[in-house]
Amino acid sequence: AQSVTQLGSHVSVSEGALVLLRCNYSSSVPPYLFWYVQYPNQGLQLLLKYTSAATLVKGINGFEAEFKKSETSFHLTKPSAHMSDAAEYFCAVRPTGGKLIFGQGTELSVKP
Amino acid sequence: DTEVTQTPKHLVMGMTNKKSLKCEQHMGHRAMYWYKQKAKKPPELMFVYSYEKLSINESVPSRFSPECPNSSLLNLHLHALQPEDSALYLCASSQDQTGASYNEQFFGPGTRLTVL
Repeated sequence: AQSVTQLGSHVSVSEGALVLLRCNYSSSVPPYLFWYVQYPNQGLQLLLKYTSAATLVKGINGFEAEFKKSETSFHLTKPSAHMSDAAEYFCAVRPTGGKLIFGQGTELSVKP
Repeated sequence: DTEVTQTPKHLVMGMTNKKSLKCEQHMGHRAMYWYKQKAKKPPELMFVYSYEKLSINESVPSRFSPECPNSSLLNLHLHALQPEDSALYLCASSQDQTGASYNEQFFGPGTRLTVL
């Protein structure tokens, strides 16, 4: 069965610093991968998705992620953190025709 | 319109009450989902409707009863809930369930349910 592992349940960065949220997946076939963000007391919002068209995917709010098949990773990055980026981030994989499988989530804190 | 709406935003109910959660989308999506989310946890899939028919029930207790009156609406009827059912209930929709898996799910803002 496919699974997603997010390394670090909590990440803290200073405003202006690089954001790096890690996601590794297990899959025997190329998966479809997603990053969602959830602000407090809100639903999930799609940041970006990988659909095999390009390994570097650009999303909203300045985020991007790189698909690395050799490392089975899909890490999320942002060059410069902003206070408004503080939220919960979920990596998810969707096997072909299957259900969306979420990682456990990473809470991002941004210090002034 | 790329929005999924949910009502009510908050709901407090007793263990003997009957209530309903409502979800609506006008994106022409043919798959709709109910998730339950506990604090600091990822969403857990409860039900999936595909073309207005229930296609997945993740062994959810019968005190939760989903309904899909038409392609734009999804309800979740609640009856005799337990305090441990208190959670954020999220609705989502996607173009379809069985098609290309890159079709992302669009989530609503959720209903915060408290069972006393």
